[in-house]
Formats: sequence, structure tokens, C-alpha cells
Amino acid sequence: EVQVVESGGGLVQPGGSLRLSCVASGFDFSGYWMTWVRQAPGKGLEFVANINQDGSDIHYVGSVEGRFTISRDNAKKSVYLQMNNLRTDDTALYYCARDSAYFDSWGQGTLVTVSS
Amino acid sequence: DTVMIQSPDSLAVSLGERATINCKSSQSVFVHSNNRNYLAWYQHKPGQPPKLLIYWASTRESGVPDRFSGSGSGTDFTLTISSLQAEDAAVYYCHQYLIVPHTFGQGTRLEIK
Repeated sequence: EVQVVESGGGLVQPGGSLRLSCVASGFDFSGYWMTWVRQAPGKGLEFVANINQDGSDIHYVGSVEGRFTISRDNAKKSVYLQMNNLRTDDTALYYCARDSAYFDSWGQGTLVTVSS
Repeated sequence: DTVMIQSPDSLAVSLGERATINCKSSQSVFVHSNNRNYLAWYQHKPGQPPKLLIYWASTRESGVPDRFSGSGSGTDFTLTISSLQAEDAAVYYCHQYLIVPHTFGQGTRLEIK
């Protein structure tokens, strides 16, 4: 069974940092792009970042460029999202998804709250 | 960024009736070389992750009931639920995955009348 499980969310003050993790199972992790998508409270889905199979091709939404870094470790079947200089509008449920171009398997999400 | 506009924002449909949701992209998501539209639809229920329904604009994901269908090309797309069931109440999103960054529509809330 294809599964992705996120962790690492929590409460952080504005300007702080947080590192999200996503561990995959049930598929050939090294053969897929991986993606982070977020949903702010009461809002819709927003693409955050994605990364190709060997980490050589990465894309970000403009609002996180220069603050967030996506990376992966194929040996650990994991993808990460390092979030620095967090802002209150980064508050959201962050989903990890397998990226087959479209997003065909999603985790339950990890909640990030940025507040003083 | 490519803007995806869905219409309507919300709709209420009776059980057994047809529901139609539209999605318009600010740029074409059709690629002539492979004859594909890079457009997906997702269903999102509270407390659950989004679920892929349709990809390549009209290909139904495995396990998705055949009452769900996708159509359209270029910049204009439609998700149709042919005979609404109670469990179809959800928010539906379109998603273009041709142009980086990926973008989603704002969502359409579907309620049972």
C-alpha cells in the first residue's frame, strides 16, 4: 500500500524555523518526484515546493522562495521541508504527496502554526 | 503564475441529479507533442487528505466511481458527477501541472440539496 506520513509540525514564533519530514512506503520512492502542498485555515490548496528523483530539479511557489528548502534522502525514503523566517501567513496544514505530475497519494498532513 | 478559476464557488444539488464544476486556466495546459492536457481534479473532505479523481483532464483514477468524469481541453475544463450520491459532498479542486509553479483553483464546495 502506498503511504506517506508527515511529521514535524508545531507552534513557532514569527521569524522562527521548523523542519517538516515525510516518510514514504509501499512504492519505489527514488523513482518519483515528491511535493509539499499546504492549506491555510479556511483557504484552498496551495502548491509549496516539489523535487525530482535525485534532487537536481526543484520548484517553489514565489511566496516561500528564499525561505523554504525542499530536500530528500532516497536511502531513508524521506522528503523534507526546511522552513526559515516563518510568517503568520505560513500557518497551514502541510501535506506531502507523491508527484506523478498529478498528486496521486497524499499524507494526512502536519499542522504548522506561526504565532507569537 | 497560471491562474485557475473555478465556477461556481459553491453549489447545491439534489441526490441523483447531475453536478457540473468548471475550471478555466489563464494559460493553455495542452501539450501538442503528446496530445495531453495537464489538468487534474481532486475531492477534499474535512479531516481527510485530498483524493485524486481525474488526471490528464479525463482519465479516472483507479477506484473512482464512473459517475465522475472530466472533459475539456486547452484552457476550459469540466468535472461532472452524473448522479450525485450523499458521499460526494466535498470541496473539489482543479490543478494544472504543466507550468511551474503548479496551481490549484480556489475550490468549489458541493452540497447536497
